[in-house]
Amino acid sequence: RKEVEQDPGPFNVPEGATVAFNCTYSNSASQSFFWYRQDCRKEPKLLMSVYSSGNEDGRFTAQLNRASQYISLLIRDSKLSDSATYLCVVTPGTGRRALTFGSGTRLQVQP
Amino acid sequence: NAGVTQTPKFQVLKTGQSMTLQCAQDMNHNSMYWYRQDPGMGLRLIYYSASEGTTDKGEVPNGYNVSRLNKREFSLRLESAAPSQTSVYFCASTLGGGATYEQYFGPGTRLTVT
Repeated sequence: RKEVEQDPGPFNVPEGATVAFNCTYSNSASQSFFWYRQDCRKEPKLLMSVYSSGNEDGRFTAQLNRASQYISLLIRDSKLSDSATYLCVVTPGTGRRALTFGSGTRLQVQP
Repeated sequence: NAGVTQTPKFQVLKTGQSMTLQCAQDMNHNSMYWYRQDPGMGLRLIYYSASEGTTDKGEVPNGYNVSRLNKREFSLRLESAAPSQTSVYFCASTLGGGATYEQYFGPGTRLTVT
């Protein structure tokens, strides 16, 4: 089983739609959680961190459910510019210095 | 600031050839990382350097060596390239040694081994 699992998509949605991605992780000792965004043939960039209480940044809302070991990302009022691959990222546990990446969920927003 | 830079951007090697991928950051970050990205696999950690003078293996270190030349530079060497090493290679850096810090990535090196 992969440490971090995501639905690869693609999710094809019209502009203005609300779309949600889920991600599950296997290591219950995981400490920190993030969503990164990766445009086609570009490097990943941090979209937002995910906090236990949930957090929002404009049209983006991230939530963490430690009991079920999943993380979600909600995008409201989708824009064409939101088209990208969204990577779920987890720190695997205490003492580990590096991140574990999911393989990504591809979003295509259509006009 | 240029952020994280990588050279070359593209490279084609024949099986058995060697090469070094260069990475540099100008953000005074302490930790640096090398990942590879393959279709459907996500980014996998090859090696990382928590601070100048230290390096540690990641998930997929076989066939690679690294050098943390100084605080700015972290190079990845393929001694004898194999087709299985065809991939996109990303270098990243973080301010601190812990994984809670944001990772900044370079633009990547697209390597093909024939």
